[in-house]
Amino acid sequence: QVQLVQSGAEVKKSGASVKVSCKASGFTFTTYAIHWVRQAPGQRLEWMGWIYAGTGNTKYSQKFEGRLIVTRDTSTSISYMELSSLTSEDTSVYYCARAIGDGYDYWGQGTLVTVSS
Amino acid sequence: SHELTQPPSVSVSPGQTARITCSGDALPKQNTYWYQQKPGQAPVSVMYTDTERPSGIPERFSGSKSGTTATLTISGVQAEDEADYYCQSADSYGIYVFGTGTKVTVL
Repeated sequence: QVQLVQSGAEVKKSGASVKVSCKASGFTFTTYAIHWVRQAPGQRLEWMGWIYAGTGNTKYSQKFEGRLIVTRDTSTSISYMELSSLTSEDTSVYYCARAIGDGYDYWGQGTLVTVSS
Repeated sequence: SHELTQPPSVSVSPGQTARITCSGDALPKQNTYWYQQKPGQAPVSVMYTDTERPSGIPERFSGSKSGTTATLTISGVQAEDEADYYCQSADSYGIYVFGTGTKVTVL
């Protein structure tokens, strides 16, 4: 069965970087795009960017350009999301999701990233 | 960038019908997707490409779209349907956006 399993919760200081992983199984990793979406406490879902696992092509929300890097390792079927220059406003649950068409069919369980000053 | 607007909340009695709207100027040219999110859980897809229901989603969930407004309808609402609901679409440049979210309360 399709699964996206994310790495565990992180606590970071302001100005640091965080790297979250998303391990895919149950499908051919290289034929899908993996997206990253975050949700601040009590707030809406916010799209961050995607990577097409086959080619490594990426697209980022303009909001995160310059401090977001999404990568993938096809040998392990893992996508990584790295966000730098963290501030308290980056405290959120970060999700990976598998894209189907222009939407999503499977989601990871989420990773809480807490940024403290 | 395109935006999607939803009502903040919808309240409905058990067995009644809940309608959640999603408005966006670009929706006539884009597919709409809907997700249900319960507290502390990841979102779950309940509708894709405007009107298609994923396997495992109850038939009481249906979708429609007219012009700039997409609608998720829950007929015969049950207590377990209480959740936040988000619409989502994408433009031709690969930019994705989520709606503002609607909290459905079952009275």
